[in-house]
Order: sequence, then C-alpha cells, then structure tokens
Amino acid sequence: QQPVQSPQAVILREGEDAVINCSSSKALYSVHWYRQKHGEAPVFLMILLKGGEQKGHDKISASFNEKKQQSSLYLTASQLSYSGTYFCGTAHTGTASKLTFGTGTRLQVTL
Amino acid sequence: ETGVTQTPRHLVMGMTNKKSLKCEQHLGHNAMYWYKQSAKKPLELMFVYNFKEQTENNSVPSRFSPECPNSSHLFLHLHTLQPEDSALYLCASSHPDSNEQFFGPGTRLTVL
Repeated sequence: QQPVQSPQAVILREGEDAVINCSSSKALYSVHWYRQKHGEAPVFLMILLKGGEQKGHDKISASFNEKKQQSSLYLTASQLSYSGTYFCGTAHTGTASKLTFGTGTRLQVTL
Repeated sequence: ETGVTQTPRHLVMGMTNKKSLKCEQHLGHNAMYWYKQSAKKPLELMFVYNFKEQTENNSVPSRFSPECPNSSHLFLHLHTLQPEDSALYLCASSHPDSNEQFFGPGTRLTVL
C-alpha cells in the first residue's frame, strides 16, 4: 500500500518554510526522502529508521513518528534550488530493497 | 564515467517491436532496481536484483523481462508492449550495507 503525501503541491516565495507529510497505513521500518527535479533522476535526501528520530542537513530536516506511522520533511528558508517533486519511500521490513513511493509533492519556490 | 547511466535516453517503439533498455553503474554496488514512473503516479518498483539474483518481481507482466549478467549491468527486455507501458523507466543501484538508492536519468519510452 503506497504512502499518502500531503500537500500535493505547494508554492513558496524564497525564504519561506514548508512541511511535507508522508503517512502510511502499515507499520513502518524506515522512511526515505528523495527529490526529483524536472527531467532529472530522483536524488536521495535522507533516511529515517524506526525508533523515532529526526535528521537534517543544511536547511532540510525530517522527523519520523513511528506511533503515527508518518514522517514529515521540513524545508526552512527555502531557496530556488529546492524546487522539484519530493517523494517519500517507505519500507516495512529491515531491508530497504522494496520501497513503496508516494505520489509526490510538487514544490515550487519563486522569487 | 561515474554514477548510474541508462541508454537509450529516449525510445519510441511499436507494439510488435522488441527492444532493450540498458543500465550500468560504476559505484561498486551489488543491488540494482528497475522502476516505472508514469505521469501523476508514484514510482513503481518493478524488479530487484541482489548479487545478480532476482529477489523481487513486483507482479510485472511477462512482456517485461529483466536480465542482470553481473553486478554492474542491468537490462530490461521489452516485447509486444502496450501503449499504457509508455513511461519513464528508471534504474537504480545501492550498496548492500546502505539504504540509499542512486538513480539513473531514466529512459523515456513511448509505445505507439
């Protein structure tokens, strides 16, 4: 069962913040976040493992709430380069070889 | 050349044609994947190979036939496809000790 992402799309002005959510109806082992720019390959952002954790680099961070079976991706002080489609991929076992991806959240950052 | 490469980048084929997509990774990874990405649909995992052995077939129709001759190369053989098979086909690879998947640029397939 694929995870549900929200919102489906968001438009930000440069410098604004955004939160993208990823929810699953099944117990999660890990959540993987990717960004795909138009016409390019998806690029790995980060992975969060069960146990409840938060990670981040630069101004992009994420949290994983195991109880709620959801993860949130936080983009702060957005830059034009953040534009793209963000996908969460979920794994329900210890191996990440079988990821189920959400439909994506299209983020557009404008001047 | 580094990373994950895919050829061809674009392919147009008729329903009776036979063609193959090629993926090559230069990252020393032992796991390789085929994904299908259709417009407005999530990335769909098709096949997974670990150390050249197929470990996952996500109920993919037999008109798609994968081949993994070694850990660096992955093929997807196509025959008698349908127009609804038109999509971006992405290859990815990962290291067994890592959960990070590295994607190639994809092959944009159009079936007429």
